[in-house]
Amino acid sequence: KAGVTQTPRYLIKTRGQQVTLSCSPISGHRSVSWYQQTPGQGLQFLFEYFSETQRNKGNFPGRFSGRQFSNSRSEMNVSTLELGDSALYLCASSLASTANTEAFFGQGTRLTVV
Amino acid sequence: DAKTTQPNSMESNEEEPVHLPCNHSTISGTDYIHWYRQLPSQGPEYVIHGLTSNVNNRMASLAIAEDRKSSTLILHRATLRDAAVYYCILRDVFGNEKLTFGTGTRLTIIP
Repeated sequence: KAGVTQTPRYLIKTRGQQVTLSCSPISGHRSVSWYQQTPGQGLQFLFEYFSETQRNKGNFPGRFSGRQFSNSRSEMNVSTLELGDSALYLCASSLASTANTEAFFGQGTRLTVV
Repeated sequence: DAKTTQPNSMESNEEEPVHLPCNHSTISGTDYIHWYRQLPSQGPEYVIHGLTSNVNNRMASLAIAEDRKSSTLILHRATLRDAAVYYCILRDVFGNEKLTFGTGTRLTIIP
């Protein structure tokens, strides 16, 4: 079956702009989580959605937001981009939102802010 | 979230077994032990997870200490493709989808 698909794979934006990233989970998966990966901070949790509801949120400013649609596809948005937002953004999907399930990650969207 | 401690890096020869340790002395009775790995230029990949008993799958084995304060990921026969950063993560059984990644262990395979 198809894996987690993230689009676009690469993106270059200018400071102050906003960006929307998309994630299509594995078919049948209802939980989608987003992570930011940078060389300095490693992998950090952004937020998790389950059945269109945000269930958990990491320690990021309000410029970072997301949503999940009825087909479980998810988008994350970053407004007023800063240079420090340059990172690899990863999406993960799971069948359920429990500790006894595995998460499947996409290949990520590499965002560069100039 | 309970904390895990892993060595920063390890090396192993190709085609030999690899034992990757993880300490989690503050683990609670409801924490599952998960392992993920991240190959260069890819997203993390699930490896294995367990609660109390040792677990085996096609990729690896997970050996969990009797007191659950440590665990070891075992790659039975390392290949060059196993070179990656390996993360040991604890996840509470009461929901919480969040994965809290530490710095992981960078595994280098020597041909």
